[in-house]
Amino acid sequence: NAGVTQTPKFQVLKTGQSMTLQCAQDMNHNSMYWYRQDPGMGLRLIYYSASEGTTDKGEVPNGYNVSRLNKREFSLRLESAAPSQTSVYFCASRPGAAGETQYFGPGTRLLVL
Amino acid sequence: LAKTTQPISMDSYEGQEVNITCSHNNIATNDYITWYQQFPSQGPRFIIQGYKTKVTNEVASLFIPADRKSSTLSLPRVSLSDTAVYYCLVGDMWDYGQNFVFGPGTRLSVLP
Repeated sequence: NAGVTQTPKFQVLKTGQSMTLQCAQDMNHNSMYWYRQDPGMGLRLIYYSASEGTTDKGEVPNGYNVSRLNKREFSLRLESAAPSQTSVYFCASRPGAAGETQYFGPGTRLLVL
Repeated sequence: LAKTTQPISMDSYEGQEVNITCSHNNIATNDYITWYQQFPSQGPRFIIQGYKTKVTNEVASLFIPADRKSSTLSLPRVSLSDTAVYYCLVGDMWDYGQNFVFGPGTRLSVLP
């Protein structure tokens, strides 16, 4: 089992460019999440998908869109990147059963110039 | 959502027991308490979870008093490799869309 994988590991964008961050899990989990973590801060939830076919906004959704492509994959898209979106992005998944915790990917480090 | 408060940083020496306390005065009936550990350049990793009283696993212990308004993560005999940020989260584990709030966490530094 690879667990939660994220691509790319690192990306540099210019302001206004777009890109998609990919996340996949091979644990047959129902719920998936996208967080961002700014230096010295905790994680903030951007979007989540409680189950396949559903997505909902988290705490900081502005400037992002998501797609739950299938049960395994949950992508995060930046349509027009801004320097304020420079951050480390973590994807997580959760089985969906009560009492289960989240499993996190290794993160994508994004720099917007 | 129950808000949590924990110390921003703590220092310890190798071999000591470390206790990190988290306050969650507004914890709800269905809320569980979960602790995560995060090393630099890695995603958070689950350490321990509990609802009430005491929970112990191979890594840590979690003490929760009867009123559940606080909890204490106990790390026995820490080593340098325990240097990390520790997050206390409180949330309804029955809500699959639960927005678990990660605060700034507690930055633990273990010194030789």
